[in-house]
Amino acid sequence: GAVVSQHPSRVICKSGTSVKIECRSLDFQATTMFWYRQFPKQSLMLMATSNEGSKATYEQGVEKDKFLINHASLTLSTLTVTSAHPEDSSFYICSAISGGNQPQHFGDGTRLSIL
Amino acid sequence: QQQVKQSPQSLIVQKGGISIINCAYENTAFDYFPWYQQFPGKGPALLIAIRPDVSEKKEGRFTISFNKSAKQFSLHIMDSQPGDSATYFCAASKGTGNQFYFGTGTSLTVIP
Repeated sequence: GAVVSQHPSRVICKSGTSVKIECRSLDFQATTMFWYRQFPKQSLMLMATSNEGSKATYEQGVEKDKFLINHASLTLSTLTVTSAHPEDSSFYICSAISGGNQPQHFGDGTRLSIL
Repeated sequence: QQQVKQSPQSLIVQKGGISIINCAYENTAFDYFPWYQQFPGKGPALLIAIRPDVSEKKEGRFTISFNKSAKQFSLHIMDSQPGDSATYFCAASKGTGNQFYFGTGTSLTVIP
């Protein structure tokens, strides 16, 4: 089946650090990738939609200068949390699809903890 | 505004019992309704999905029932097992390749 790999699985860093999270589709080409944020015991909140080779579309309320998304190839998208602060601590999850009629496949998420 | 409403928030079921989780939506343009299973510290995994042209879909112990007129759909887990203990999310979208609107999740605990 379709496999999405997310790295790292856990990050602990100091306030002010920028953190990059990678999302890779291992066995398919992902035309679109989605980035979500999930707080404990809550649902997934869509942050942005990323299409290969074009700028990401951010959801209302998500700061694009804070959360930089790059989708440079059909198998890789990255989310960079710039100058992270404790309030950015969360579980970040990516998903990918191989085409317009395919379901989303999720990575295993990245637990980000900012001290 | 919550596009997809999910209930209950938590559910405790005895081993061998039936777990039922319900979802309701408002947007009649939605035409794809997946259910995802999420274990702690992991990303959601697609469990089963349905389109509005059928009223029921069954895969193993998992069944989706869909009521288009009521704009409701539900997940039934037959013969629930402790290994089914997880959080379940329903979702809806206009087509599979577009934004998913997730329910708020149901934490299922199956006790031996």
